[in-house]
Amino acid sequence: AQSVTQPDIHITVSEGASLELRCNYSYGATPYLFWYVQSPGQGLQLLLKYFSGDTLVQGIKGFEAEFKRSQSSFNLRKPSVHWSDAAEYFCAVAPANQAGTALIFGKGTTLSVSS
Amino acid sequence: DVKVTQSSRYLVKRTGEKVFLECVQDMDHENMFWYRQDPGLGLRLIYFSYDVKMKEKGDIPEGYSVSREKKERFSLILESASTNQTSMYLCASSDSVNTEAFFGQGTRLTVV
Repeated sequence: AQSVTQPDIHITVSEGASLELRCNYSYGATPYLFWYVQSPGQGLQLLLKYFSGDTLVQGIKGFEAEFKRSQSSFNLRKPSVHWSDAAEYFCAVAPANQAGTALIFGKGTTLSVSS
Repeated sequence: DVKVTQSSRYLVKRTGEKVFLECVQDMDHENMFWYRQDPGLGLRLIYFSYDVKMKEKGDIPEGYSVSREKKERFSLILESASTNQTSMYLCASSDSVNTEAFFGQGTRLTVV
C-alpha cells in the first residue's frame, strides 16, 4: 500500500537559517509527489510538485524539493527561513499516470520560526 | 483565480443531528474529494467523486455519505453526528489531466 512518512512532527528553525523537511514514500513505482503548506485556520496551498524530469523542483515562496529515487525521498528545502513560513507542511503522493486519483498525505510537520 | 468554497468555516452541532457540509468549485473539475484532518493524523480521505453521481469510498467512510448531483458541488453528510466526528473537514478538487488538488478553507465541525 502507498504511504507517506514525515519523520519530524515539529521543527524549530531560527529566522534566516536554512530548512529541510523530510518526506519518504512507499510505492511500487515512481509516484507524483507534492508539498503543501497550511497556515493556521486555512486550507492547503500547493508549494511544488514533481511529475517527471528534473529531480530538483522549484516552487513558490522560495521553496525547492529534490526527488531521490534511490532513497524514496522528496525533501523540502529553503535556504533562508522567514517568520511567515511558520505553518504546517504536508508531503503527498499519488500514482503516476492516473490523473484525478486522490492524494495520500503524510501526517505533517509543524514548522516554528524563532527570532 | 481558482476557487473551492466550503459553505461554513465553523459549525457546532448536537449529537444525533444530520449534518451537511457543502463544497463548490468553479474550475469545472471532474474530481472532488473530502478529507478529514486531525492533529497528529494528517489528512485522511473520506470519499471522492470522479464524475457526477459517482462516488468512491476512501480510507474512513464509516459514518459518512456523500452526494454529487452537479459537477461543481460535492456534499458530505453525517447521518447522525457523533462526538468522534469533531474535526476539520477539507474539500478539494482536481481535473482529469493533472493530479494537483485545490483545497477549500476547511470547515471546523464541533459535535457536542
